[in-house]
Amino acid sequence: QKEVEQNSGPLSVPEGAIASLNCTYSDRGSQSFFWYRQYSGKSPELIMFIYSNGDKEDGRFTAQLNKASQYVSLLIRDSQPSDSATYLCAVILSGSARQLTFGSGTQLTVLP
Amino acid sequence: GAGVSQSPSNKVTEKGKDVELRCDPISGHTALYWYRQSLGQGLEFLIYFQGNSAPDKSGLPSDRFSAERTGGSVSTLTIQRTQQEDSAVYLCASSFLAGVFDTQYFGPGTRLTVL
Repeated sequence: QKEVEQNSGPLSVPEGAIASLNCTYSDRGSQSFFWYRQYSGKSPELIMFIYSNGDKEDGRFTAQLNKASQYVSLLIRDSQPSDSATYLCAVILSGSARQLTFGSGTQLTVLP
Repeated sequence: GAGVSQSPSNKVTEKGKDVELRCDPISGHTALYWYRQSLGQGLEFLIYFQGNSAPDKSGLPSDRFSAERTGGSVSTLTIQRTQQEDSAVYLCASSFLAGVFDTQYFGPGTRLTVL
């Protein structure tokens, strides 16, 4: 079992719809969870971080964390074609040296 | 303010040569990380520096890889006797501290191609 798992996609949604991206992690002691967006040929860009159970909203983005289920998700409301990118879930595992452990990423395409 | 910078942006080298990749973190950030991203392996951790402490080298794939950080700021990743499997994008990230709740910001990366 991989430490951080994501559906690789590709995921396609129409413009204006809600895109839902999911991530599970294996280390129950993990405390920090991050979502990065990566456009093709570019480096990862931080979108959201979440540490506590529940929802955290920032503009069109909502991160959801459920530590009991070891599940973190990212919702993008009113999806735009400019949201088309690969979304990387990253976790700081307990006992690590603070490095990020990444999932394989979900490729999102928002269709105009 | 200025973000993380890396140089060169692209590097093409021949198998067996040594290469040096440079990272300049965000000013004031004490923690610096090197990752690499390749098609087959995704994004993986290489090495981490925190202040003047000894680096965590647990992610380095072989002893051909080394890194140093001078003066607590700029870092250089060195790959000796490069192999074709070293071809990847090498990403540097920095964070203000190295706490479990700190966020890491990535530089633009160096694309390394080993012929």
